[in-house]
Amino acid sequence: GENVEQHPSTLSVQEGDSAVIKCTYSDSASNYFPWYKQELGKGPQLIIDIRSNVGEKKDQRIAVTLNKTAKHFSLHITETQPEDSAVYFCAARDRYSDQTGANNLFFGTGTRLTVIP
Amino acid sequence: NAGVTQTPKFRVLKTGQSMTLLCAQDMNHEYMYWYRQDPGMGLRLIHYSVGEGTTAKGEVPDGYNVSRLKKQNFLLGLESAAPSQTSVYFCASSYSSALSYEQYFGPGTRLTVT
Repeated sequence: GENVEQHPSTLSVQEGDSAVIKCTYSDSASNYFPWYKQELGKGPQLIIDIRSNVGEKKDQRIAVTLNKTAKHFSLHITETQPEDSAVYFCAARDRYSDQTGANNLFFGTGTRLTVIP
Repeated sequence: NAGVTQTPKFRVLKTGQSMTLLCAQDMNHEYMYWYRQDPGMGLRLIHYSVGEGTTAKGEVPDGYNVSRLKKQNFLLGLESAAPSQTSVYFCASSYSSALSYEQYFGPGTRLTVT
């Protein structure tokens, strides 16, 4: 199955600085790459996603870039705020999802982001 | 809308005991999923369902069973709990349309097996 690696595992930034989290995936047939934010004691929540036919996507202070050739994608958060502090997970959609009809995801191991006021 | 709800929020079991975790969604989603989350390992898919009455194995299905008798509910069962099943369990649901692959997660159930 798909193998998703995520770095770094922890990241501390000063408020107002940018944060970048990187992920690599192993299966070139994966076609969907979401990023989830998990706050303490809660379930993950989608913050941005990208499909394999797009190289970059932005939503206000958050952006995701995808390099299909190198099989890696990154989350960029600009002008970080204390409320951005959370654990962030990247994921890749299973190549067999189109056949099974499901949307199965393989997740990275998470990055704990701390924004220092 | 409540979204995705999970019952119970916390549970402590002794080795060998059984239990069922309940997931309910009110978004009329076709697909539902059960994940476990362990420190340093992210979320791993246990079982999933693409519709009422259908279930399939995910990445780590051993020791678990599931049922989807109603579209809005997805049950996860542990027949004989083991300490290795100590984890936080998340349920999720999603539409079946290719227009949106987003999964909506519940708040989680923290299970400890002693």
